[in-house]
Amino acid sequence: DGGITQSPKYLFRKEGQNVTLSCEQNLNHDAMYWYRQDPGQGLRLIYYSQIVNDFQKGDIAEGYSVSREKKESFPLTVTSAQKNPTAFYLCASSQLRLAENNEQFFGPGTRLTVL
Amino acid sequence: GNSVTQMEGPVTLSEEAFLTINCTYTATGYPSLFWYVQYPGEGLQLLLKATKADDKGSNKGFEATYRKETTSFHLEKGSVQVSDSAVYFCALAGSARQLTFGSGTQLTVLP
Repeated sequence: DGGITQSPKYLFRKEGQNVTLSCEQNLNHDAMYWYRQDPGQGLRLIYYSQIVNDFQKGDIAEGYSVSREKKESFPLTVTSAQKNPTAFYLCASSQLRLAENNEQFFGPGTRLTVL
Repeated sequence: GNSVTQMEGPVTLSEEAFLTINCTYTATGYPSLFWYVQYPGEGLQLLLKATKADDKGSNKGFEATYRKETTSFHLEKGSVQVSDSAVYFCALAGSARQLTFGSGTQLTVLP
């Protein structure tokens, strides 16, 4: 089955530690995205990538870093510089053909709790 | 910039009631519009979409019509079920191909 996988589903870390969240897709999509979701709020874009080895900051990139070494993978690192990292993190992907309407497909999410 | 304003929640309905969740947007050009649904502890699933004015998206009994004159994309369902309980997000995709989301509306359907 094609889709997006995120691991782990739940993640606990101590304050001051960096942590990397995994996102893999087998949909052959060009673009991948990371969002942060806080209780009662919408999704906020952290980083996105439209092509391998290239990525752009979203609205709330401070304290986060990403890499895109392979088309199917887009890991997100939450660094110790992120002041409030506890949140639900969602990865998404989309195809970027001109005729498409930019529908994004989402993974199941990772809930990060920093103790 | 682009923005999406969604009806404040939470919304609580009895089974078989009529549902409307309002969504209005601000965008330049001709965005595509989406409704996504999120069940507890899960990611978002696309519920329906519309890519141009007057298009009607529909899926699983839900409908929404792209109204350019009122910049709206309200979600409706004639008879909700307990299984429809979830958070619903309105979103738009503009020329930059980024999605802008509303804040989400929590729907609870009681038996």
